[in-house]
Amino acid sequence: QQQVKQSPQSLIVQKGGISIINCAYENTAFDYFPWYQQFPGKGPALLIAIRPDVSEKKEGRFTISFNKSAKQFSLHIMDSQPGDSATYFCAARGFGTSGSRLTFGEGTQLTVNP
Amino acid sequence: GAGVSQTPSNKVTEKGKYVELRCDPISGHTALYWYRQSLGQGPEFLIYFQGTGAADDSGLPNDRFFAVRPEGSVSTLKIQRTERGDSAVYLCASSLRSGTGGGSSYGYTFGSGTRLTVV
Repeated sequence: QQQVKQSPQSLIVQKGGISIINCAYENTAFDYFPWYQQFPGKGPALLIAIRPDVSEKKEGRFTISFNKSAKQFSLHIMDSQPGDSATYFCAARGFGTSGSRLTFGEGTQLTVNP
Repeated sequence: GAGVSQTPSNKVTEKGKYVELRCDPISGHTALYWYRQSLGQGPEFLIYFQGTGAADDSGLPNDRFFAVRPEGSVSTLKIQRTERGDSAVYLCASSLRSGTGGGSSYGYTFGSGTRLTVV
């Protein structure tokens, strides 16, 4: 089944804190797991991505942790800033004729209080 | 252009009318995707073009929806006999290439979308 489940639906964090968003998937044929950041009125923008042969990837304050056996992955935002307030989507890419077709999670609305 | 351009940014139409939504991808990007995003939800795949051909249209909800990309660049999403349930933001994305790679050339760039409201 092509499905990605994301939690929590919303998250409030204090400035400087750690934001953690979790995703779980079912289809073992997914081969690429990106996270997108979306501001109101804008399209999603790629934040960071990971392949399933890697357990962790870090880019600046953003880290993806990937657990292949549990079919789960998470986004950690260190030292969260008010400018990080946005909606975050995890996604997964499947094989086949669909090129780089992505299946998205439901989204997490992150608010970072100053 | 530097990014993916979608026009119009907003479209209000009456139930039953026909609408066209336009997408200008990044120059040189061969892969183009249409997604639909309902309020409070993640984007849902509609259709994927590789060049001029629709490589995968399995996400189109019914035969009222159709998309073209005649010259392998600009794409138009067409919706006939619009219904209130079609109201959503329609997102277009392009990538330099498609497939199973993980490099930056496979990454999507999304446009800002067209907000369609059917009244």
